[in-house]
Amino acid sequence: GAGVSQSPSNKVTEKGKDVELRCDPISGHTALYWYRQRLGQGLEFLIYFQGNSAPDKSGLPSDRFSAERTGESVSTLTIQRTQQEDSAVYLCASRTAGARTGELFFGEGSRLTVL
Amino acid sequence: KNQVEQSPQSLIILEGKNCTLQCNYTVSPFSNLRWYKQDTGRGPVSLTIMTFSENTKSNGRYTATLDADTKQSSLHITASQLSDSASYICVVSLLDTGRRALTFGSGTRLQVQP
Repeated sequence: GAGVSQSPSNKVTEKGKDVELRCDPISGHTALYWYRQRLGQGLEFLIYFQGNSAPDKSGLPSDRFSAERTGESVSTLTIQRTQQEDSAVYLCASRTAGARTGELFFGEGSRLTVL
Repeated sequence: KNQVEQSPQSLIILEGKNCTLQCNYTVSPFSNLRWYKQDTGRGPVSLTIMTFSENTKSNGRYTATLDADTKQSSLHITASQLSDSASYICVVSLLDTGRRALTFGSGTRLQVQP
C-alpha cells in the first residue's frame, strides 16, 4: 500500500496476556518509529529503527516491551504479560533516512485495551 | 534539555472564527519545525514545515510562523471549520540523526463548535 499500515486496529486482551502489534512501513523508508499515546496525552517515544543499525530502545518502559524489525520491512511490537496501564494507542511512523526535513508518515494506530 | 511546549493545552472556538496556537522550544541545534494535525482516532499528518530561514508559510487556511531568535512558532487557523477539530502537534527536529532528532510537543486540542 501507499501508506503505513498497522494491525490490528483494535485489540482487547486480558491482563497477563501477551500481544503483538504489527507495522508495515512505506516501501523505501529506512527509519521506523513506535510511539505510545495514552488517552488525551501526547506521543511517547518507544523505539527507533534505522536500516540495519542497532535500534534505539531507550523509550521502552519496561522489559515486557520488545520490538523487532527485519531489514527495512515489517516491524512487530510485543508486549508481554500486559497490564492495564499498557492500554493506549500504539502508533508506528516511518520516514526516509538522512533527510533533515523528512516528514514522518504515521499509521492509523493500534488501539490496545487491557481488561 | 530539549523541550517543546505548546499552548494552550485545549481551545474551543466557534465555527468561522480564527485562532492561533503557540509552540515554544529549547531544542538545539535546530533543523526544522513541523506542525502535525491529528484527527481523533487517526495518526498525525504533517501540515507544514518551517526551516531556519523561513518566517511564514501558508497551507490553505493554515499559516505557520517561525521566529528562530526567540524560538517560537505559531499556527494560525483562519475561518475555522468543524473539520479543524483535532489535536495539533508541534515537532522540532535537531541537526542530528536518530530518534533524538525529534522532540514532540504535547499538542493543543482544538474544538470548533457550530
